[in-house]
Amino acid sequence: DVKVTQSSRYLVKRTGEKVFLECVQDMDHENMFWYRQDPGLGLRLIYFSYDVKMKEKGDIPEGYSVSREKKERFSLILESASTNQTSMYLCASSVLSGDTGELFFGEGSRLTVL
Amino acid sequence: GQNIDQPTEMTATEGAIVQINCTYQTSGFNGLFWYQQHAGEAPTFLSYNVLDGLEEKGRFSSFLSRSKGYSYLLLKELQMKDSASYLCAVPTMDTGRRALTFGSGTRLQVQP
Repeated sequence: DVKVTQSSRYLVKRTGEKVFLECVQDMDHENMFWYRQDPGLGLRLIYFSYDVKMKEKGDIPEGYSVSREKKERFSLILESASTNQTSMYLCASSVLSGDTGELFFGEGSRLTVL
Repeated sequence: GQNIDQPTEMTATEGAIVQINCTYQTSGFNGLFWYQQHAGEAPTFLSYNVLDGLEEKGRFSSFLSRSKGYSYLLLKELQMKDSASYLCAVPTMDTGRRALTFGSGTRLQVQP
């Protein structure tokens, strides 16, 4: 069965803290994505990666960075968390390269920044 | 750029039929996806349309008109468990069509 696992379902952090959100997929997918989801705004793409060590900015990359050292793992990093980064973060992966494939999502990580 | 519009909320009765509309604007069309998302859970894939017409999958059907930039999701014989958000999405051209651009979602409430 397809599985995308996010390390933490709920996190509470303080302003200025460094935050790591981890995502692992067991499907050998080339593409991995980080979205954030906010009421009324839908899902917005932060970063994506189509190969190991490759990363591309999405629509809202400011304040975030990512790391993909291994094919199965894609990490989202908030260098200095701010209250406007309080959100639901969703990781996804897909199998096809250079074309569109179905996205498989993790359960999400709900981050609260105080 | 890309733009997707969906109604924010809809309410329907158990056993009834509901149609959730989606209009989109995109440069270079490469299919349209529908996802279902229950509260607090991950979105899950429902359908993918790349050609015009209706595709039926059990109680759920999805329709596409490329010339009108329009799609709808049709849910028949509604059940309480169909209460969820329904997300319309198109491939994001800036990402080589790898990522998806999502609408804000339509929250469907099914009432007894």
